Amino acid sequence: ETGVTQSPTHLIKTRGQQVTLRCSSQSGHNTVSWYQQALGQGPQFIFQYYREEENGRGNFPPRFSGLQFPNYSSELNVNALELDDSALYLCASSPSGGARNTGELFFGEGSRLTVL
Amino acid sequence: GNSVTQMEGPVTLSEEAFLTINCTYTATGYPSLFWYVQYPGEGLQLLLKATKADDKGSNKGFEATYRKETTSFHLEKGSVQVSDSAVYFCALSENDSWGKFQFGAGTQVVVTP
Repeated sequence: ETGVTQSPTHLIKTRGQQVTLRCSSQSGHNTVSWYQQALGQGPQFIFQYYREEENGRGNFPPRFSGLQFPNYSSELNVNALELDDSALYLCASSPSGGARNTGELFFGEGSRLTVL
Repeated sequence: GNSVTQMEGPVTLSEEAFLTINCTYTATGYPSLFWYVQYPGEGLQLLLKATKADDKGSNKGFEATYRKETTSFHLEKGSVQVSDSAVYFCALSENDSWGKFQFGAGTQVVVTP
């Protein structure tokens, strides 16, 4: 069983640039969530995708956007990067979506973004 | 809104010591509660969970009981090992939240031989 994989693992951007992070969900999982984890903090929910549509969003501005593809993989796009966007971006998949969520999230190891 | 508060770290213990990490939460509904663990160089993984009041989650010698009256979900282990050194995150998920988990800030635990 292949776990959640993310790419790239590390990247450096400058303020104002755009970045795309990628995530392949665990086999059989149709729901993908993205989280931002600043240094020394817990993960903060950005949004979730189910059946290729966003079906939940945290307190992040519209310059954070995403996509989910028919194979359930996903992308996180961040436009107009700011210094505070420097963080570890975590992708998590789960086997169900749209229903009562008492289930587990399966996390990738993350993409560490540094904005200079 | 929902929030999770957990004790600050680092917590440094000797091997075979008793570990407690406090976690309290604020929620408008009836959340499920979780402990996730992040070992060095690895991704977050579920340690245990409880989905309703008075449930006890347990795994790998760790336990936590969902206490609605005190809005708490404290993590305990009776005898820690060096391999338990990690960052532990308490989290909640509202049952109609469409997958949004609220995490605490994490508690680093260091176990020395």
